[in-house]
Amino acid sequence: DAKTTQPTSMDCAEGRAANLPCNHSTISGNEYVYWYRQIHSQGPQYIIHGLKNNETNEMASLIITEDRKSSTLILPHATLRDTAVYYCIVRAAGGNNDMRFGAGTRLTVKP
Amino acid sequence: KAGVTQTPRYLIKTRGQQVTLSCSPISGHRSVSWYQQTPGQGLQFLFEYFSETQRNKGNFPGRFSGRQFSNSRSEMNVSTLELGDSALYLCASSFNRAGANVLTFGAGSRLTVL
Repeated sequence: DAKTTQPTSMDCAEGRAANLPCNHSTISGNEYVYWYRQIHSQGPQYIIHGLKNNETNEMASLIITEDRKSSTLILPHATLRDTAVYYCIVRAAGGNNDMRFGAGTRLTVKP
Repeated sequence: KAGVTQTPRYLIKTRGQQVTLSCSPISGHRSVSWYQQTPGQGLQFLFEYFSETQRNKGNFPGRFSGRQFSNSRSEMNVSTLELGDSALYLCASSFNRAGANVLTFGAGSRLTVL
């Protein structure tokens, strides 16, 4: 699976959009980009995933560049409850479920 | 729909003992994965079971084992506990959604080894 690179930490003001980048320059054509987050001491929570097109759901939007070498998770109106570690994972379609979590980005939403 | 249930939520053991953790996946999910989370190593993949068969295994010693039952419930066992086994153990079940595998995690079992 392709390796991902994320900033170690980011801050965001409450009510503003949080844009979390992820670099996956070695991504293959059949690999999805997944985003999960983990709020302190809880199990990780699935946010969104995408293959080529931009995706949006009730939690966030995922913007994938045309060359698929990077992506951005957007939380449109961050709240204090969005403070968490966000993981970007690249994983091939189908097959096993051995997601490899890196260190992620620690997002702190400030009032 | 009930989520992924892990039991027990908290437990304390002493070195040398063994422990069994249980995971009940979401109804209809046939894949169950286990992860260990420690402050130093982060989230690490232990193993995955699908239809009662271990499909993949992470880089952990043989003291860590698991199994899956016909109803998809899974257990993991750690024998001869060491202090370093203190961690949050997370279970996730998954369903293949149009080629993509989305994991749903339980709240975890926090193990303390004294």
